[in-house]
Amino acid sequence: EDQVTQSPEALRLQEGESSSLNCSYTVSGLRGLFWYRQDPGKGPEFLFTLYSAGEEKEKERLKATLTKKESFLHITAPKPEDSATYLCAVASTDSWGKLQFGAGTQVVVTP
Amino acid sequence: NAGVTQTPKFRILKIGQSMTLQCTQDMNHNYMYWYRQDPGMGLKLIYYSVGAGITDKGEVPNGYNVSRSTTEDFPLRLELAAPSQTSVYFCASSYERGATDTQYFGPGTRLTVL
Repeated sequence: EDQVTQSPEALRLQEGESSSLNCSYTVSGLRGLFWYRQDPGKGPEFLFTLYSAGEEKEKERLKATLTKKESFLHITAPKPEDSATYLCAVASTDSWGKLQFGAGTQVVVTP
Repeated sequence: NAGVTQTPKFRILKIGQSMTLQCTQDMNHNYMYWYRQDPGMGLKLIYYSVGAGITDKGEVPNGYNVSRSTTEDFPLRLELAAPSQTSVYFCASSYERGATDTQYFGPGTRLTVL
């Protein structure tokens, strides 16, 4: 069975203090790994898709990387507006059309 | 484009009542999904549809029904509401194969069953 575990559950950062979020996954075969951002009271907003080990993608202060067992979302010099819950999801070769989501990491960035 | 829209935003139901959560997308996406999100848990897939007239069960379909008569609309029906259905419901859509294509989410419906 596909499993996605995100750590830590919550992260409190000072503005400018870089850190990384972890997404560990177990799937029979990976079709894609997705990162979403979710603000309170809103739907998830797409950030990145990674398809193969070694792939990296960047957007402003965020950088996502992928290995065969996990993905990292690096937040460089965060600002208060980066405060959100970050969700990781995987699509496997055995579960067509379905994403398995992790529980998310809640990030709070203080000035 | 409005993207994915959902109505209502909030709803309180009494046990045993029924209601329909509405979802509409204007991106001409073939694939549509319904998820529920409970506190501290990941999103769980309820039902999905690969096109008009075609639907299938997800991970947690019990207590729900769906239909897809048009490309744009994918309503979720709750029959005989139970407290266990208290949750935030999200509708999503994608253009091509959901497994590899980006899913775009609506703003959600917060449902409380008392």
